[in-house]
Amino acid sequence: KAGVTQTPRYLIKTRGQQVTLSCSPISGHRSVSWYQQTPGQGLQFLFEYFSETQRNKGNFPGRFSGRQFSNSRSEMNVSTLELGDSALYLCASSPDRGHEQYFGPGTRLTVT
Amino acid sequence: AQSVTQLDSQVPVFEEAPVELRCNYSSSVSVYLFWYVQYPNQGLQLLLKYLSGSTLVKGINGFEAEFNKSQTSFHLRKPSVHISDTAEYFCAVSEFRDTGRRALTFGSGTRLQVQP
Repeated sequence: KAGVTQTPRYLIKTRGQQVTLSCSPISGHRSVSWYQQTPGQGLQFLFEYFSETQRNKGNFPGRFSGRQFSNSRSEMNVSTLELGDSALYLCASSPDRGHEQYFGPGTRLTVT
Repeated sequence: AQSVTQLDSQVPVFEEAPVELRCNYSSSVSVYLFWYVQYPNQGLQLLLKYLSGSTLVKGINGFEAEFNKSQTSFHLRKPSVHISDTAEYFCAVSEFRDTGRRALTFGSGTRLQVQP
């Protein structure tokens, strides 16, 4: 099976702009989670989607949002970008009956 | 809420030597435990997992980990490391929930540096 894919791999944006990142899970996985990785804060959970519904949410401001489509592909959106949003954004998918998560290669976002 | 502590931020070791990366967790409910590895400019790769059953779990690339409930630990071990094991290692927990919700809490990571 193909792994989790994320596009784009790299992005450079300016403060105040918005950005959309995309994630395609492993075939058959309906749960998709997003994480932010920074040198200062480490790996932090953003949110989880399952069957097009947000099932779990981390402690991030409302500027961070996401959605999931009927084919389980997911997008996350960050509005009004701040310098501190520069990070590696990781997407992970999980099988319905499993508890492990499989990660994609990430999208490196740089905000200038 | 749960938390994860990785006691060592960096572990230098010589090639073919054994290594142990330490992980302790805190949670008020039962948890699932995981170790992930991250190579430069890549995502996280699952090394091994503990869900239930035997407390000694074996993973990929010769790694193993032992779940100790009384000490709330899940240390990662490898009897003989290779240069290619140089990477960042993350311990993670997920609380057991019958709702099916999944959210991993990660430790701060341990940088394993294998020297020739």
